[in-house]
Amino acid sequence: GQQVMQIPQYQHVQEGEDFTTYCNSSTTLSNIQWYKQRPGGHPVFLIQLVKSGEVKKQKRLTFQFGEAKKNSSLHITATQTTDVGTYFCAGRETSGSRLTFGEGTQLTVNP
Amino acid sequence: DSGVTQTPKHLITATGQRVTLRCSPRSGDLSVYWYQQSLDQGLQFLIQYYNGEERAKGNILERFSAQQFPDLHSELNLSSLELGDSALYFCASSVEGAPADTQYFGPGTRLTVL
Repeated sequence: GQQVMQIPQYQHVQEGEDFTTYCNSSTTLSNIQWYKQRPGGHPVFLIQLVKSGEVKKQKRLTFQFGEAKKNSSLHITATQTTDVGTYFCAGRETSGSRLTFGEGTQLTVNP
Repeated sequence: DSGVTQTPKHLITATGQRVTLRCSPRSGDLSVYWYQQSLDQGLQFLIQYYNGEERAKGNILERFSAQQFPDLHSELNLSSLELGDSALYFCASSVEGAPADTQYFGPGTRLTVL
């Protein structure tokens, strides 16, 4: 079955440093979504990428979808303490199939 | 607030017992998903219902069952509970079939099995 892997599992940064998490799928994806879960909270949808090579930005967050549609990344520029949480990618193999979540990257930001 | 409600918020019970977790999806959403999240773990997909019918099954134990009712709320039944079943259980809902079929998560039910 489809597998979605995320690295790193944990990342500790100083406030102001950049952060990147990577997501790799064992199969080609129809689309990929990113979610953020704050400590003690529930996952919240951030963005969806659909096109090969797509890049989307949300303020300090940059999301990329690979050319082969098998990998994706989330990059945060100049982290802030409000960025703390676990970031999950979730891939859909074909349109309409269920999402498969990665294991998540837990980000800690030291002030 | 995602619009998805889950009850109860916390549940403490003993091994061997049976519990029922309840989820009400966002208004208009036909699909309900159940996930299990153990401490510092990822989201393990359990099961999906769409408009009352089972749509997809993940790593759901035989001791666990779920259903979606005509009013679209869903219940997850966990029986013969074991210590390892202690986890956060999330329900999510989506429109299903929409071009951007994102999932909206409820606040979760924290289950503690003693």
